[in-house]
Formats: sequence, C-alpha cells, structure tokens
Amino acid sequence: QMTQSPSSLSASVGDRVTITCRASQGINSWLAWYQHKPGKAPMSLIYAAFNLQSGVPSRFSGTGFGTDFTLTITGLQPEDSATYYCQQYHTFPLSFGGGTKVEI
Amino acid sequence: EVQLVQSGGGLVRPGGSLRLSCAASEFSLTDHYIDWARQAPGKGLEWVGRSRNKDNSYSTEYAATLIGRFTMSRDESKNSVFLQMNGLRTDDTAVYYCARLLFGEYVDVWGEGTTVIVSP
Repeated sequence: QMTQSPSSLSASVGDRVTITCRASQGINSWLAWYQHKPGKAPMSLIYAAFNLQSGVPSRFSGTGFGTDFTLTITGLQPEDSATYYCQQYHTFPLSFGGGTKVEI
Repeated sequence: EVQLVQSGGGLVRPGGSLRLSCAASEFSLTDHYIDWARQAPGKGLEWVGRSRNKDNSYSTEYAATLIGRFTMSRDESKNSVFLQMNGLRTDDTAVYYCARLLFGEYVDVWGEGTTVIVSP
C-alpha cells in the first residue's frame, strides 16, 4: 500500500514543491512517479525512484529507497498544475498512491 | 511516432461485457509488457493488470478484485492487446488506460484512454 502526502497543495510559480510517498513495506527502488492532467493520458516522470524519463524537464527530481520517497519540483511552472501519483512495481498487485493535486 | 491507440469503450448495462483494444503504432507489442490502469470518476489511478511479452508467454497478472471477470489477450497480427471485461458493475465505470513497459519494469508510454460507463 502506498500513502501519499499531502493530498493537495497550492504553490506559486517558482516555488519548490515536495511530495512524499510511503510504502507499507520495503520496495527497494521500484517506484515511479506520474503526472496526470484532466482529460489527458498520464505522463511518466520518474522510474526506479530517481531516474528521469526522457524528455521530462530537469526541475523534476526523485529520491528515496525502501519505504520513503519524494518527488520534488524545483521552480514550479504554470504547466505543472496536475495531480501526481507514485506507484510501486515491486510486488503484485501493483499499487498507486492516492495522488497529490498541485494547484498553482 | 511511438504510441498506443485505444478503442472499445462505451455504455453498457450492469452484468454486460465489453472488450477494450490497445493497438501499438511504430513498435511491436510482442516485445513489450503492457499494463492496464483505470481512473473512476473523482478517484485516483488504480492498477488493473499486466500482460507480459511473448518471451514470457504473454502471461498475466490481475488486481485481486478483478480475477475471474477481466481477461487480457493479444493478437499479434493486429499488434494489439485486449482487455475483456465481463460481469460489469457500476463501480467499473472509469477511464481505462493501457501503458507500455520498458524492460518489463516501468511505464514509458501511455494510451490516451477509453471511457467505460456501466449504468442501468
């Protein structure tokens, strides 16, 4: 089970934003982060806890190992308004966090 | 352009069936694992299941609550993956997404989603 916090946040352009994700048991680095905007397909941001997907801006970064993970957006941009999800892919059934809605 | 093109969503009565399609463009699905996920109205993402690649005999995994009702299959000639959904319930109403995995590990490409509405 994946627990994300906060469930929502409001920040300003240029801010540094951190989202946390906690796994109920150790998952090594088998964690991904996704960005999801209404009416659009999710977008993959980070895999294996800290690896940036191709084409993702460098203001996105991920850290963590085991049970505690973070997604950080450094220098928030208007287009970053979205809901962010973590997902563990260590053990079946795979599971997503509850999501964090980021408002600018 | 590498993409997944989805189709097959629609309105269905409770107890009915629907088959969703996920077709690959500019790559071969035989080489890749495919995951399905869904998002019910006002809810977060929920993992539905996984179809492994040909080297792994297209074996599958499912969310526990869907075993026995949902089945994944493939058609190599159509370069497509299918999600057969039977015994549909109102709480299956959602946008369904397919997604490609790289190296059998992590998602890199998502389909655009297809909407399933289960309503009397």
